[in-house]
Amino acid sequence: EPEVTQTPSHQVTQMGQEVILRCVPISNHLYFYWYRQILGQKVEFLVSFYNNEISEKSEIFDDQFSVERPDGSNFTLKIRSTKLEDSAMYFCASSEVRGGNQPQHFGDGTRLSIL
Amino acid sequence: AQSVTQLGSHVSVSEGALVLLRCNYSSSVPPYLFWYVQYPNQGLQLLLKYTSAATLVKGINGFEAEFKKSETSFHLTKPSAHMSDAAEYFCAVSGTGANSKLTFGKGITLSVRP
Repeated sequence: EPEVTQTPSHQVTQMGQEVILRCVPISNHLYFYWYRQILGQKVEFLVSFYNNEISEKSEIFDDQFSVERPDGSNFTLKIRSTKLEDSAMYFCASSEVRGGNQPQHFGDGTRLSIL
Repeated sequence: AQSVTQLGSHVSVSEGALVLLRCNYSSSVPPYLFWYVQYPNQGLQLLLKYTSAATLVKGINGFEAEFKKSETSFHLTKPSAHMSDAAEYFCAVSGTGANSKLTFGKGITLSVRP
């Protein structure tokens, strides 16, 4: 069964450094998402992306965050200047079509640790 | 705004016993509801979804959930727990229309005792 893949599985970065988290969505999917889960807290929506544009973003997704689909397969999340509170598990998801009734398929996540 | 409440953080059952994981939602529009499972060191896997067809929804691994509008609930059940069911379970809600972001509950850890 096709799956969403995320790299790296664990990223350790010094505070203030830039980090890029990478995702390869399922190949025929058109809608992409990033979520994060701070340890012990809920999974939170960050951003959705379609047709090379952000569709929706949460208040968490401030100017330090950006997303990009640099080629036909990758979908990336960049954090420009990391803070301690950015430490979390980051999940990428994709769906074939848009709509609330469409299941989103998740990757295994990248654990981001900020020192 | 939409929200999901999953009461309690941990449920422990014996192998072979009934599993009941509770989920209540709040939504100003008819919701779409999902249960996801997360095994250790893995991502979120879709168990089942409610999208306004049948109110009793069957999913993978013998799980099912019933949508009850009057109770704003979408509880997850399995008649007989298996050791392999030990995992974290998340209930999530999505609105209708183009807005398809998922709003998750805080999750419940299910332990299965031999």
